[in-house]
Amino acid sequence: SQQGEEDPQALSIQEGENATMNCSYKTSINNLQWYRQNSGRGLVHLILIRSNEREKHSGRLRVTLDTSKKSSSLLITASRAADTASYFCATNAGNMLTFGGGTRLMVKP
Amino acid sequence: EAGVAQSPRYKIIEKRQSVAFWCNPISGHATLYWYQQILGQGPKLLIQFQNNGVVDDSQLPKDRFSAERLKGVDSTLKIQPAKLEDSAVYLCASSLARVLDSYTEAFFGQGTRLTVV
Repeated sequence: SQQGEEDPQALSIQEGENATMNCSYKTSINNLQWYRQNSGRGLVHLILIRSNEREKHSGRLRVTLDTSKKSSSLLITASRAADTASYFCATNAGNMLTFGGGTRLMVKP
Repeated sequence: EAGVAQSPRYKIIEKRQSVAFWCNPISGHATLYWYQQILGQGPKLLIQFQNNGVVDDSQLPKDRFSAERLKGVDSTLKIQPAKLEDSAVYLCASSLARVLDSYTEAFFGQGTRLTVV
């Protein structure tokens, strides 16, 4: 079973625009992580936010976490064509890492 | 630092045949995961090892899937016999975490794409 569910399932934007992806989960977590997957490749870790954190930044990435609503969002600012990929949230509970279904992002040049 | 190595990259087999995948995690990583990713879906955890012990295998179809982690390092995942619905990418990942509730990321290999015909 999948703990996290991303929304939207697919997103298409123009280069330079911001992209926002949301993740909802069901049970208590230790941390929440976001991963990126290019077509046909493995997953690459982007950012980790702990359960006691509310917001975290890394370059053009901004992640928020609301444990009361069991939700998180990933914002990619000033998107580039190279950001085209699938993005997954993963919840970590008891060192188990459970992924959602992903958001497929397409950034048009 | 070398990444997670998986082999083979691609495998095509007929249904009812057997297949094995190999994973070499990052040196020193205590936790090893095997995930199954069906096209268009997120990765589904099959089995998780902490050193050479199984932490969770609740979603592993044990009638046909088996996995082992030798001496707490390399791991193999086997399917016998394969079914058409086993067609997927099998991802191996490792993490430095040595204890539960640790806050570390997972590093993924490139995966093995299995096609069952």
